[in-house]
Amino acid sequence: NAGVTQTPKFQVLKTGQSMTLQCAQDMNHEYMSWYRQDPGMGLRLIHYSVGAGITDQGEVPNGYNVSRSTTEDFPLRLLSAAPSQTSVYFCASRPDRGASQPQHFGDGTRLSIL
Amino acid sequence: AQRVTQPEKLLSVFKGAPVELKCNYSYSGSPELFWYVQYSRQRLQLLLRHISRESIKGFTADLNKGETSFHLKKPFAQEEDSAMYYCALISGAGSYQLTFGKGTKLSVIP
Repeated sequence: NAGVTQTPKFQVLKTGQSMTLQCAQDMNHEYMSWYRQDPGMGLRLIHYSVGAGITDQGEVPNGYNVSRSTTEDFPLRLLSAAPSQTSVYFCASRPDRGASQPQHFGDGTRLSIL
Repeated sequence: AQRVTQPEKLLSVFKGAPVELKCNYSYSGSPELFWYVQYSRQRLQLLLRHISRESIKGFTADLNKGETSFHLKKPFAQEEDSAMYYCALISGAGSYQLTFGKGTKLSVIP
């Protein structure tokens, strides 16, 4: 198993550009989520999904869209990038909604918006 | 609303000294609590969870509901323990959101 795979690892964008951060998992996990990690802020939840076709907002959803057409993939879209979205983005998955299930994280995508 | 507080951004200890990383939470029900660790240039990974009552890499954490705390402890710090540590909470059955604290960077001085 590759676990949770994120692409790209690094990206530089100009303000106003759009892009999609890819996330895929091969563990047949129902639950997937996106976090952003900023210095002094920890990890904040952007969006999450409890299964294919179902998504919901987390703590900081503004400026981001997600979709979950398959169990494996959970892409994160920035429609019009802003400098405030410069961050490290982590995708995570866990087997199901069970509270005690540990989350598996990807390696992260380091995104810079100029 | 649930909240996790890690009061120390940075904790420096000498090798062989005891370590305690503090975590306090705010939630009225019975939460599930976790410690995650991120070593340099590695992905975030689960260190331990309170329901397992386990010791991983010499670390333990006890849930104190009276003090709403879940401090992470190790009696003798090692250099390889240097990392970023995050305390996290899920509010219980049926909840999906894992709430993280802001993290504490542990630096073990040789």
